[in-house]
Amino acid sequence: DAKTTQPPSMDCAEGRAANLPCNHSTISGNEYVYWYRQIHSQGPQYIIHGLKNNETNEMASLIITEDRKSSTLILPHATLRDTAVYYCIVRVRGYSTLTFGKGTMLLVSP
Amino acid sequence: DTEVTQTPKHLVMGMTNKKSLKCEQHMGHRAMYWYKQKAKKPPELMFVYSYEKLSINESVPSRFSPECPNSSLLNLHLHALQPEDSALYLCASSQDQGWSNTGELFFGEGSRLTVL
Repeated sequence: DAKTTQPPSMDCAEGRAANLPCNHSTISGNEYVYWYRQIHSQGPQYIIHGLKNNETNEMASLIITEDRKSSTLILPHATLRDTAVYYCIVRVRGYSTLTFGKGTMLLVSP
Repeated sequence: DTEVTQTPKHLVMGMTNKKSLKCEQHMGHRAMYWYKQKAKKPPELMFVYSYEKLSINESVPSRFSPECPNSSLLNLHLHALQPEDSALYLCASSQDQGWSNTGELFFGEGSRLTVL
């Protein structure tokens, strides 16, 4: 799987949009971008995934650059409960194992 | 039911004890996983079961012994552990290991193990 690079930490004010970047410059054509998050003392939680088009669900939006070398996870209106470590993972769909990198610790403050 | 249930939530054991961690899901998933997570580190894959057969063992020491008695249950048997094995052990499941796997793994809340 291609490697990803994320900032170790980010801050966001409650109610504002949180934009979490991820670099994956060696991504292959058949590799998807996945985002998971892990709230303290809980198991990781799936957020969203995409191949090349932008994706949106009830939790977040995923913006993937045209060259697919980077992506941004957007939490449109961050709440205190969004404080967590966010993992960007690149993997081939159909290959089930997830390899977690160090992730970004997002702290949402009042 | 989209839950993966792990028991116990906390476990303290000595180096000579034998204990087991249990994981259960009722989503009809056919792939199940054990991950290990040390403090302030990302989860690391240990084992994968597909259709109740062990498909991936990430060179885990034999003191960790996985078992999948049926499609809903996954156990991790622990014997002669070391203090450095203290960690959060996470179980996960997915639809299967093949193409129908969308990449969404459902994780339990983990079993926090302390080895004295």
